[in-house]
Amino acid sequence: QITLKESGPTLVAPTQTLTLTCTLSGFSLTTSEVGVGWIRQPPGKALEWLALIYGNDDKRHSPSLKNRLSINKDASNNQVVLTMTNMDPVDTATYFCTHKLRDNSYYDFRGQGHLVTVSS
Amino acid sequence: QSALTQPASVSGSPGQSITISCTGTSSDVGGYNYVAWYRQHPGKVPKVMIYHVNNRPSGVSDRFSGSKSGNTASLTISGLQAEDEADYYCSSYSSGGTHVFGTGTKVTVL
Repeated sequence: QITLKESGPTLVAPTQTLTLTCTLSGFSLTTSEVGVGWIRQPPGKALEWLALIYGNDDKRHSPSLKNRLSINKDASNNQVVLTMTNMDPVDTATYFCTHKLRDNSYYDFRGQGHLVTVSS
Repeated sequence: QSALTQPASVSGSPGQSITISCTGTSSDVGGYNYVAWYRQHPGKVPKVMIYHVNNRPSGVSDRFSGSKSGNTASLTISGLQAEDEADYYCSSYSSGGTHVFGTGTKVTVL
């Protein structure tokens, strides 16, 4: 069974860097056909696509956040790490990591998400 | 890359049909048949209801259907039920290999 679990800090100070880890279970990020995407949702607001990485290290980033985002995979630990720099209170959101197949047009939300609050 | 435009709210009575629109550009919705629709109940994670414009994942009711015309995609829910009350989001593949979500629509069952 495929599951993904997000982990990281729940509180981040403004201007600091956020590092979130997604631990994969039931699959590995080792082929070009399988990917992990990050999506966030501020409280009471819409979903926002952030980034995507495939097993062959093919990466995509949101154009509006590209300068602040990085996504990397740690194959040895079966994890994907999302880093976002210069955090601001508007970045307060639940961050989801999701399973993605290259041939599919959708993201499969197999985790519960991780709420990150940006505040001093 | 701007969010896809959806109506803020749509409502209908039980048994009726409703349609939610999702308007983008030729760089996303209009350029690719990679539109998906998600349903999200309060406090829950989103669940895909439609993918590739008009395909239903296994287990999703055939009351849900999707279509696309030009830069606008649509989700139709027929035979509206109380459990359909939720937020709905569209998403689309976009040029450059990125993705974009819609602004979200709150569906109310009267």
